[in-house]
Amino acid sequence: QLQLQESGPGLVKPSETLSLSCSVSGGSISSSSYYWGWVRQPPGKGLEWIGSIFYTGSSYFSPSLKTRATISVDTSKNLFSLRLSSVTASDTAVYYCAMAWGSTVRWFDPWGQGTLVTVSS
Amino acid sequence: QFLLTQPPSISAAPGQTVTISCSGNNSNIGYSFVSWYQQLPGKAPKLVIFDNNKRASGIPDRFSGSKSGTSAALGITGLQTGDEAVYHCGTWDTSLRTELFGGGTKLTVL
Repeated sequence: QLQLQESGPGLVKPSETLSLSCSVSGGSISSSSYYWGWVRQPPGKGLEWIGSIFYTGSSYFSPSLKTRATISVDTSKNLFSLRLSSVTASDTAVYYCAMAWGSTVRWFDPWGQGTLVTVSS
Repeated sequence: QFLLTQPPSISAAPGQTVTISCSGNNSNIGYSFVSWYQQLPGKAPKLVIFDNNKRASGIPDRFSGSKSGTSAALGITGLQTGDEAVYHCGTWDTSLRTELFGGGTKLTVL
């Protein structure tokens, strides 16, 4: 059974870079069928897609975040990572990693449990 | 501001049936598949419906999905208290080149 687990700092200072990793277990991140994505949810608000990556490294992003977001994949460690630069308080959110079906996301399943990242000095 | 419109909240009694709507346009719902996610309090979203009307693994047949034109809907019959959650719709927008989610609908089972 595929499982995803996010990890990274829970507190980031304004203007710095947020860095999170997502470890994949129970399956290979190098599957040719799936993409790997990041979705965030500000406290009390709805979901926002950040971006997705294929195991080859091909990535694509939400237009609103593409200038600040980077996603990378490490097939040797079976994990993928998110970096979001120049963060502000509006980037405070629970960040989820998830497996995505298709480059034009048809669905996300499964999801990691999520990790809260707070942007504050 | 969410480009997919969902009612903020809906409530019903146990055993009743509810329908949660999700409205978009020809570039998103009218073009792409729709998925639905259940988010229990304090938990991660969980896939309920994919490809408009297919139930995810382990989802009871009380849950159903439909799509017509630029709108989609999630139906839940025989409501149970365990169905209390926020439900999100999602789809790909081919013009914006981005995945979109609705604002979420909080379902209360009275």
